[in-house]
Amino acid sequence: EPEVTQTPSHQVTQMGQEVILRCVPISNHLYFYWYRQILGQKVEFLVSFYNNEISEKSEIFDDQFSVERPDGSNFTLKIRSTKLEDSAMYFCASRLTLLQINEQYFGPGTRLTVT
Amino acid sequence: DAKTTQPPSMDCAEGRAANLPCNHSTISGNEYVYWYRQIHSQGPQYIIHGLKNNETNEMASLIITEDRKSSTLILPHATLRDTAVYYCILPTGGATNKLIFGTGTLLAVQP
Repeated sequence: EPEVTQTPSHQVTQMGQEVILRCVPISNHLYFYWYRQILGQKVEFLVSFYNNEISEKSEIFDDQFSVERPDGSNFTLKIRSTKLEDSAMYFCASRLTLLQINEQYFGPGTRLTVT
Repeated sequence: DAKTTQPPSMDCAEGRAANLPCNHSTISGNEYVYWYRQIHSQGPQYIIHGLKNNETNEMASLIITEDRKSSTLILPHATLRDTAVYYCILPTGGATNKLIFGTGTLLAVQP
């Protein structure tokens, strides 16, 4: 069964450093998402991406964040200058279409620890 | 943003059916109900979704009331591996149909 994959599974970085989280969505899916979950809190939407551009972003997704689909398979989330409060699980998701009949599939997540 | 209401926690004995309720009284006529679960520290996992008819797949059954204001997710024979937070979610629509997660129901399957 096709699945969303994410690398690395755990990333430790120092405050102020740049990190890139990588995702490989399901191959024929067209819509891509990043969510995050701070320890003990809800899963929160960050950004959605379609046709090589951002279609929606939350207020969390400020200028420190960017997303890119550099080739036909990878989808990346970059945090330019990490802060302690960026420590969280980051989940990538993909979806075939926006039709309600199609569900979102999530990856296993990357645990980001900022020290 | 929460459009659904779920009990914060439930217990179930291993091997028994787990019935997880969800109220979504503001659901509109063409909105589906989605169920996801999150096992500790893992990514949310899609379970099932439905519009108005009852649905069944290899993981669970979904019973939607006739007025569509509530639904019940049924895990017919719960195992310890079904211990997770279960989320009942309505679509947000718009240009992205992003998911808005509430606090869900923590289902604890007891041996």
